[in-house]
Amino acid sequence: GIQVEQSPPDLILQEGANSTLRCNFSDSVNNLQWFHQNPWGQLINLFYIPSGTKQNGRLSATTVATERYSLLYISSSQTTDSGVYFCAVRAGTASKLTFGTGTRLQVTL
Amino acid sequence: EAQVTQNPRYLITVTGKKLTVTCSQNMNHEYMSWYRQDPGLGLRQIYYSMNVEVTDKGDVPEGYKVSRKEKRNFPLILESPSPNQTSLYFCASSFSVGGRPKAFFGQGTRLTVV
Repeated sequence: GIQVEQSPPDLILQEGANSTLRCNFSDSVNNLQWFHQNPWGQLINLFYIPSGTKQNGRLSATTVATERYSLLYISSSQTTDSGVYFCAVRAGTASKLTFGTGTRLQVTL
Repeated sequence: EAQVTQNPRYLITVTGKKLTVTCSQNMNHEYMSWYRQDPGLGLRQIYYSMNVEVTDKGDVPEGYKVSRKEKRNFPLILESPSPNQTSLYFCASSFSVGGRPKAFFGQGTRLTVV
């Protein structure tokens, strides 16, 4: 099956700093989503982005499908950005989302 | 408000005692699925359902059952729970409009089997 790797596995930022999270995948995909899991465990859908670039406030994402990676940018980080960020993909006719192991982000004051 | 609702949010149970985790969505989505999340393994799919009365195994179906008698509900059943089923469980529903699928997740159920 498709492999999804995320980097870095852990990241500590001071409030106000910017960061880039990366998701590499091993096959062509027709669905790619970024999720944020907050410290209470809730999964929040951030972006649906199988290709191209999208922005939502301080967050933006870019997927280069031909090179099989996606990037999530967090600008001017805040403590509420803390949690785990997951990339999830769906390939071909597969009916499931395959998740990466996540990037754990901690934003400190 | 569009949402996926799981219950209970937290459950501690004993080995072998049957339990059901309920999942309900109010978006009329056809596709629903269950995932478990474990440290170092990310989220893995347990079962999914393409529509009413249509279910199939995901990556880690052993020890679980599901049913889809109506579109809005997709319960996860553990007939005889074991400690290795201690995990954080998520129910999800999704739709595809114009080829753009999008998944919505419930709040999660943290299950401990002792």
